[in-house]
Amino acid sequence: AQKITQTQPGMFVQEKEAVTLDCTYDTSDPSYGLFWYKQPSSGEMIFLIYQGSYDQQNATEGRYSLNFQKARKSANLVISASQLGDSAMYFCAMREIADKLIFGTGTRLQVFP
Amino acid sequence: DTEVTQTPKHLVMGMTNKKSLKCEQHMGHRAMYWYKQKAKKPPELMFVYSYEKLSINESVPSRFSPECPNSSLLNLHLHALQPEDSALYLCASSQGGQGIYEQYFGPGTRLTVT
Repeated sequence: AQKITQTQPGMFVQEKEAVTLDCTYDTSDPSYGLFWYKQPSSGEMIFLIYQGSYDQQNATEGRYSLNFQKARKSANLVISASQLGDSAMYFCAMREIADKLIFGTGTRLQVFP
Repeated sequence: DTEVTQTPKHLVMGMTNKKSLKCEQHMGHRAMYWYKQKAKKPPELMFVYSYEKLSINESVPSRFSPECPNSSLLNLHLHALQPEDSALYLCASSQGGQGIYEQYFGPGTRLTVT
């Protein structure tokens, strides 16, 4: 069973607008972590934001925020004030107790002027 | 400093060659990882080292041989690879231990097997 689902293969957003990238997950483990990574065409995976399953507040890091809805098992990434440099592939990932990071299939974001 | 370095950046090798990929981190992390990523796919975990011991091997063929000489270094030795092994190989590190911590990735090595 797929544990991380990203249903948007591609998204477009205009510069300076906000965009939401969807991620749903499936786990029976009460303790888990959710991550978002950005991968530009250069290939490097850049860590953006982390949400722990017990965290009461939604995580925020600069222009990135994570809309965590535990009951719905969703962990959507919100990018505010999009920039041209935000164009990249974005992966949602989950880690349970075992030291394994499981990735979704990714969403390709393109920011246009 | 959240830097993980990988060398080489690009590697072309024949099916009979032996080569090694290298990864280094100086963040004091105790867990290190190798991932393989094919084009337009997410990374797939290959190996995990925790406190310099191999803790996870995701049924990777023996033509890939990992090595962790010390807590800062991680190698991946390659021998008798197949063309389908061509991919981006990513190294990552994290704090390790019982908690759930983010992994920091290196820039990757783009491997082409001819």
